[in-house]
Amino acid sequence: EPEVTQTPSHQVTQMGQEVILRCVPISNHLYFYWYRQILGQKVEFLVSFYNNEISEKSEIFDDQFSVERPDGSNFTLKIRSTKLEDSAMYFCASSVGDSYYGYTFGSGTRLTVV
Amino acid sequence: RKEVEQDPGPFNVPEGATVAFNCTYSNSASQSFFWYRQDCRKEPKLLMSVYSSGNEDGRFTAQLNRASQYISLLIRDSKLSDSATYLCVVNMYQNAGNNRKLIWGLGTSLAVNP
Repeated sequence: EPEVTQTPSHQVTQMGQEVILRCVPISNHLYFYWYRQILGQKVEFLVSFYNNEISEKSEIFDDQFSVERPDGSNFTLKIRSTKLEDSAMYFCASSVGDSYYGYTFGSGTRLTVV
Repeated sequence: RKEVEQDPGPFNVPEGATVAFNCTYSNSASQSFFWYRQDCRKEPKLLMSVYSSGNEDGRFTAQLNRASQYISLLIRDSKLSDSATYLCVVNMYQNAGNNRKLIWGLGTSLAVNP
């Protein structure tokens, strides 16, 4: 079964550092997403990406965050100047169509900011 | 009223029991509905998609009542491996535009005991 793969599985970084979280969506999918989940809390939408541009972003996705699809396969989330409260699981997801069809999630990157 | 509301549980049931989860949603124009399963510190995994009145997959039955804006998930003959958090997810139009997105419930925790 096709998978969304994410690397690294766990990243520890110092406050103020930049991190890049990487994702390889399913190859024939066209819509890409980043979500995060703080431990014990709900899954939160960050951003959606379609046709090489951001289609929607949440209030969480401020200037500290950026996304990129640098080539035909990778989809990255960059967090500049990380804060303690950025510690969370970050999930990448992709879908063949828009949200009507639901998404396939990657296994996540656990980001710990110390 | 919350956009998507679930009973947080936890539900503690013995093996072999039948358990039902309920979910209500606020936007009557919602079009598609999903149940995801999330194990502790893992990614959400799509369990069932619900586009019409409901569907069944083995021990799992999802039902949709559009008039009451209510979705349910029934698990029959529950197994130890069913222990997880079950997330109700609704595809909704946002505001007055054509923008659809997935809205996530907080999840219902299930523990199946031997």
